[in-house]
Amino acid sequence: DAKTTQPPSMDCAEGRAANLPCNHSTISGNEYVYWYRQIHSQGPQYIIHGLKNNETNEMASLIITEDRKSSTLILPHATLRDTAVYYCIVRVGGYQKVTFGTGTKLQVIP
Amino acid sequence: NAGVTQTPKFRVLKTGQSMTLLCAQDMNHEYMYWYRQDPGMGLRLIHYSVGEGTTAKGEVPDGYNVSRLKKQNFLLGLESAAPSQTSVYFCASSYEAGGPFNEQYFGPGTRLTVT
Repeated sequence: DAKTTQPPSMDCAEGRAANLPCNHSTISGNEYVYWYRQIHSQGPQYIIHGLKNNETNEMASLIITEDRKSSTLILPHATLRDTAVYYCIVRVGGYQKVTFGTGTKLQVIP
Repeated sequence: NAGVTQTPKFRVLKTGQSMTLLCAQDMNHEYMYWYRQDPGMGLRLIHYSVGEGTTAKGEVPDGYNVSRLKKQNFLLGLESAAPSQTSVYFCASSYEAGGPFNEQYFGPGTRLTVT
């Protein structure tokens, strides 16, 4: 699985969009980008995933650059409940081992 | 539909004691996993299972054993607990991945302290 690089922490004002970047410059053509988050002391929660195209669901949007070397998770209107550690993971589809790095700690500020 | 449940939620062991952590899922998932998470670190895979009766080693398997006798249950055993095994343990499960999508569903965690 390709290695990912994320900033260790970020702040975001409540109600504003939170943009969380992830670099995955060694990603290969068949690897997907996944995002999970972990709210304090809870088990991680799946957010979204994508291969090439931008994706959107009820929780977030995922923007992947054309060269696929980086991506951005967007929480359009951050709330205090979005305060969590966000993990960016790249992996081959169907491959079961998932490596979690240290992620980005997002603090949403009132 | 309870999802993924873990038993117990908290446990304190003395060095050398043994215990078993139970993970149960009611989603008919083929794949199950055990992770540990230490303070300030991401999750590390201990063991995983791709189906009933099968198990495989992850990144940090030493000191742990696992069994998957029933599809819905995945047990993690510590035969002789050590202080280095103080951690939060998470279980997860997922569908058999015939395609690219393999969302993992996580349990609430077991907080284990070994003194």
